[in-house]
Amino acid sequence: DAKTTQPPSMDCAEGRAANLPCNHSTISGNEYVYWYRQIHSQGPQYIIHGLKNNETNEMASLIITEDRKSSTLILPHATLRDTAVYYCIVREDTGTASKLTFGTGTRLQVTL
Amino acid sequence: KAGVTQTPRYLIKTRGQQVTLSCSPISGHRSVSWYQQTPGQGLQFLFEYFSETQRNKGNFPGRFSGRQFSNSRSEMNVSTLELGDSALYLCASSSGLAFYEQYFGPGTRLTVT
Repeated sequence: DAKTTQPPSMDCAEGRAANLPCNHSTISGNEYVYWYRQIHSQGPQYIIHGLKNNETNEMASLIITEDRKSSTLILPHATLRDTAVYYCIVREDTGTASKLTFGTGTRLQVTL
Repeated sequence: KAGVTQTPRYLIKTRGQQVTLSCSPISGHRSVSWYQQTPGQGLQFLFEYFSETQRNKGNFPGRFSGRQFSNSRSEMNVSTLELGDSALYLCASSSGLAFYEQYFGPGTRLTVT
């Protein structure tokens, strides 16, 4: 799996957009970018994933740069319930959980 | 649909003992994966079972083992416990066809003293 780099922590005011960056400069052509989050005392939760194109779902948007060496997860209107650790993962979509490592992620604190 | 359940939720063991953790996947899911989460190492993959067969294994010593039953329920066993095995052990289930489909349970918090 390609290595990812994320800032250890970020703050965001409630109602504002939260933009979480991820650097994955060694990503290969067939590796996807996945985002999960883990709210305190719960298991990780899938958010979104993408290969080349930008993606949007009901939870978030994923912006991948043209060279695919970095990406940004956008929570358009952050709420207090979005306070969590956000993990960026890059890997091939083999359908399995093979040798998956989440790393330390970004701790997002949403404040009033 | 009921979520992934793990038992027990909390466990305290002493060094040298062994422990068995249980995971019941979402109904219809055939894949169960296990992860270890510690403050220093983050979330690390232990192994994945699919239709009673171990499909993938992470870089953990042989003291960590698992199995999956015909009803897709899975157990994880750690023998000769060490202090460093203290962690949150998470189980995730999926249909086995797409990685992102994984649904995680609440975890078992193991403390080794």
